[in-house]
Amino acid sequence: DIQMTQSPSSLPASLGDRVTITCRASQDIGNYLRWFQQKPGKSPRLMIYGATNLAAGVPSRFSGSRSGSDYSLTINSLESEDMAIYYCLQHNEYPYTFGAGTKLELK
Amino acid sequence: QVQLKETGPDLVQLTQTLSITCTVSGFSLTTYNVHWVRQPPGKGLEWMGAMWNGGGTDYNSAFKSRLSISRDTSKSQVFLKMNSLQTDDTAKYFCARLEGVRGYWGQGVMVTVSS
Repeated sequence: DIQMTQSPSSLPASLGDRVTITCRASQDIGNYLRWFQQKPGKSPRLMIYGATNLAAGVPSRFSGSRSGSDYSLTINSLESEDMAIYYCLQHNEYPYTFGAGTKLELK
Repeated sequence: QVQLKETGPDLVQLTQTLSITCTVSGFSLTTYNVHWVRQPPGKGLEWMGAMWNGGGTDYNSAFKSRLSISRDTSKSQVFLKMNSLQTDDTAKYFCARLEGVRGYWGQGVMVTVSS
């Protein structure tokens, strides 16, 4: 199974900060990488697909990038509504695997 | 519009079988895959398995021996059945469309396994 190593597990940040969350894939997954945002009591929301593409309705301060087997989600100019848990998902092969999650919280 | 909705029990007894139905609308099960994902309280997301649009299935090997996914295309429903439930199967169970440029998830059903 492909392992997705997500870091950090917790990320304290201030409003207006630029933050980056990373997932490292244990095998090649191409660009079959998605990022989800989950708020308490809610279902996950797709933020990025194809490693770098912004999903519909997602603010432009979110972006995704790839460097080799490292995939990153960056949020520019953090807003209070961005406080949530973020998960990556590889869907290159079964079984699909999620990262362990990053909890973004106010410092 | 696209919707997915899970229905199932709140409580299941230890060692019994869990059955959850995912009813979809706004798309065809013969066009899109439907996945099952679960989330124990306070923990992360775990992919369980999928019903392919062609009718095949794939499972996470962690569940393979006790998990079954099936569908009824005429009713736009996908079914999850998992037997021999243990307390660590207590979780919110989601059905979702994970592929495509939009992601769609049901609201999930919280299932508690009780001894």
